[in-house]
Amino acid sequence: GENVEQHPSTLSVQEGDSAVIKCTYSDSASNYFPWYKQELGKRPQLIIDIRSNVGEKKDQRIAVTLNKTAKHFSLHITETQPEDSAVYFCAASTGSARQLTFGSGTQLTVLP
Amino acid sequence: EPEVTQTPSHQVTQMGQEVILRCVPISNHLYFYWYRQILGQKVEFLVSFYNNEISEKSEIFDDQFSVERPDGSNFTLKIRSTKLEDSAMYFCASSDWTGNGYTFGSGTRLTVV
Repeated sequence: GENVEQHPSTLSVQEGDSAVIKCTYSDSASNYFPWYKQELGKRPQLIIDIRSNVGEKKDQRIAVTLNKTAKHFSLHITETQPEDSAVYFCAASTGSARQLTFGSGTQLTVLP
Repeated sequence: EPEVTQTPSHQVTQMGQEVILRCVPISNHLYFYWYRQILGQKVEFLVSFYNNEISEKSEIFDDQFSVERPDGSNFTLKIRSTKLEDSAMYFCASSDWTGNGYTFGSGTRLTVV
């Protein structure tokens, strides 16, 4: 089955700096890669996703890049703000098996 | 914005008891899912459900677990003979047939004592 590795497990940045979180996946059939933000005790919330026919996608301060050959994808947050502090999870899914396989999460702390 | 709703938000049960967790998926979604998150760990897939039957299940989803869509709106997860290690946050989710619009509910925190 699919295995998703996520790094780093914790990340501290100064407000205004950029943050990068990286994930690798094992199943070459995976073609959907969402990123979720989870605040303490809350549900995972989709912040951005990318499909395998696209190499990069951007939504305001958030961008995701995908390298299918290397089987890795990354989340980039620019101009970080304290409210960006949360746990971020990457995930991967194939088209037929709609289940998501999650990474282990990154605790992002934005220091004011 | 459409939401997936879950009840109860918190359930405490004694070891060995049965619990039923309830979910109302987004109305035009066709795929329903249950995930589990043990405190401080990642979210883990349990089961997906489509066209009134299980379409995928993980190793975690053993005979202790069952799912049901008892009517046109509810989707339930039953855990029989609960164990201490079943204590976790259980999230329901739903998506359309393509997997788009994958939305999680707010979760049920299950505590087994």
